[in-house]
Amino acid sequence: EADIYQTPRYLVIGTGKKITLECSQTMGHDKMYWYQQDPGMELHLIHYSYGVNSTEKGDLSSESTVSRIRTEHFPLTLESARPSHTSQYLCASREQGTTEAFFGQGTRLTVV
Amino acid sequence: GESVGLHLPTLSVQEGDNSIINCAYSNSASDYFIWYKQESGKGPQFIIDIRSNMDKRQGQRVTVLLNKTVKHLSLQIAATQPGDSAVYFCAENKGSFNKFYFGSGTKLNVKP
Repeated sequence: EADIYQTPRYLVIGTGKKITLECSQTMGHDKMYWYQQDPGMELHLIHYSYGVNSTEKGDLSSESTVSRIRTEHFPLTLESARPSHTSQYLCASREQGTTEAFFGQGTRLTVV
Repeated sequence: GESVGLHLPTLSVQEGDNSIINCAYSNSASDYFIWYKQESGKGPQFIIDIRSNMDKRQGQRVTVLLNKTVKHLSLQIAATQPGDSAVYFCAENKGSFNKFYFGSGTKLNVKP
């Protein structure tokens, strides 16, 4: 079982609210990722990090922001949620020089 | 941008039969190709990877084949079991392992 955790698992929130999705890993991995996935669809990379104080935007444009103040923690924030943000958000981490990424169970976000 | 796509959205097989899941890719510069399995309600889980200079790699009950001539990747599962029912994604990873590109997934249904 991978040591990467996401909270909350499910979130229903009203339009305009600020939300933060949490992701933590205890494996000491430098590389961390956020993916957005609609049901039955592919994963789209929205943010990634090489290590502490390093964040980059992925290939899918996203209005969310991320931070990486500690190795183990990579939270994603939406300043003003909209219905178009409804999706599943998956966090992953990977050890430098390997191909295996470990994924959390995801946060299913619904904005009403 | 680069794309990794799958031929069949759904594959149904009888328990005990072999399964073959296919994937086409367009980026010839990829260093690694990776297969992930995603069970319902969970994050993707690494199955196996193959380096771009290889044609075949075997794991436990799984074999990945890479045909660079036609840019085709396949995952073969021997003696498919009910626990193999999931969505399977291929992904490619290039450069210094910084980013992964995922395909749209194939849902494997194993009939008892």
